[in-house]
Amino acid sequence: DTGVSQNPRHKITKRGQNVTFRCDPISEHNRLYWYRQTLGQGPEFLTYFQNEAQLEKSRLLSDRFSAERPKGSFSTLEIQRTEQGDSAMYLCASRNEETQYFGPGTRLLVL
Amino acid sequence: QKEVEQNSGPLSVPEGAIASLNCTYSDRGSQSFFWYRQYSGKSPELIMSIYSNGDKEDGRFTAQLNKASQYVSLLIRDSQPSDSATYLCAVKLGTSKIIFGSGTRLSIRP
Repeated sequence: DTGVSQNPRHKITKRGQNVTFRCDPISEHNRLYWYRQTLGQGPEFLTYFQNEAQLEKSRLLSDRFSAERPKGSFSTLEIQRTEQGDSAMYLCASRNEETQYFGPGTRLLVL
Repeated sequence: QKEVEQNSGPLSVPEGAIASLNCTYSDRGSQSFFWYRQYSGKSPELIMSIYSNGDKEDGRFTAQLNKASQYVSLLIRDSQPSDSATYLCAVKLGTSKIIFGSGTRLSIRP
């Protein structure tokens, strides 16, 4: 499979716990995005990487969220001290020159 | 003002008719525009991209762009029940950031 992959696909956690999601982009894509999507809304931009450099981060993203792409390949998104409001679908996408491809997403439920 | 605005719908269209989906954006400098389709519980998939004023056709889909009016639309001809989905308009701001609208739910009734 040469598409964008995300793991895990589903995560249930208790409020206050930390969670980490992984994204493996399409291999030749150097641009990688994280989005969050809640029911009835479009994907909300969280952050963007070009290679290993995090070039932009949403002002809406609290300090509890951090993302890395250490070798310019896969990326991780960590949420510390999760809150019920963090429950959402977390989408990763990678991009070549113009076309952005999404992974299947990780659905997070915070109890 | 939201950066990308869409009517949330639902838009109900009879099978075989033309579905028209609209989107406006706020950044006058935007150069790249995209339409995605998203089925319930699935991730978005790209349908069309458009960069120049005018129309761009791909099969039953036509994207229309008017940069002066900051308006982009998607027409779906000969609508099929399988076209029932949420359609997301996306705009690239600058060289990297891609922002999405909230989506329009389209329902094709038999």
